[in-house]
Amino acid sequence: DTAVSQTPKYLVTQMGNDKSIKCEQNLGHDTMYWYKQDSKKFLKIMFSYNNKELIINETVPNRFSPKSPDKAHLNLHINSLELGDSAVYFCASSFNQGYEQYFGPGTRLTVT
Amino acid sequence: AQSVTQPDIHITVSEGASLELRCNYSYGATPYLFWYVQSPGQGLQLLLKYFSGDTLVQGIKGFEAEFKRSQSSFNLRKPSVHWSDAAEYFCAVGPGSSNTGKLIFGQGTTLQVKP
Repeated sequence: DTAVSQTPKYLVTQMGNDKSIKCEQNLGHDTMYWYKQDSKKFLKIMFSYNNKELIINETVPNRFSPKSPDKAHLNLHINSLELGDSAVYFCASSFNQGYEQYFGPGTRLTVT
Repeated sequence: AQSVTQPDIHITVSEGASLELRCNYSYGATPYLFWYVQSPGQGLQLLLKYFSGDTLVQGIKGFEAEFKRSQSSFNLRKPSVHWSDAAEYFCAVGPGSSNTGKLIFGQGTTLQVKP
């Protein structure tokens, strides 16, 4: 069974489009996260939710909007995609804030 | 400011040789420390973690790490490297007692293993 899953794995789209990435965890965790990994493999947190409540909201353009319908799901919607949004986006989850985080396989977003 | 530094961007070792990957952190309070591994095209897998207690922690795949508070370091070691260990390794720090869950990652170390 996949612990943290993301869809899609690859996403190629044009500038200006709107896209969503979905994340689901079956670990029973309370907290979920979105990270962005750039072309130099640097990982930076974007958002975190604890029991559907937004906890961390880093300096991210407001074109990015996370949504957590329940504590097992955290989706990321991106409006008006730009070239600079091209990256790998990772979802993660943890039992609670502060515990070890388990990562999904990533979604490689390419904006052309 | 909180930060994590992995001084070695790229390391090459021969199969069977020992390995040490360095990690230094800057943090105001007692941190939680983690090492993750990322194989090409894959997500991050947790190798080991340090929260408190014994400063030498054992992880999966034969890895261990030692927390040295005086040196603000959390170096990862393995006595004998296998070809399958070739990957990207990330050190990460999270706040201790007042935990928000925010992990700060180092820039990663690419490990290449020579046959």
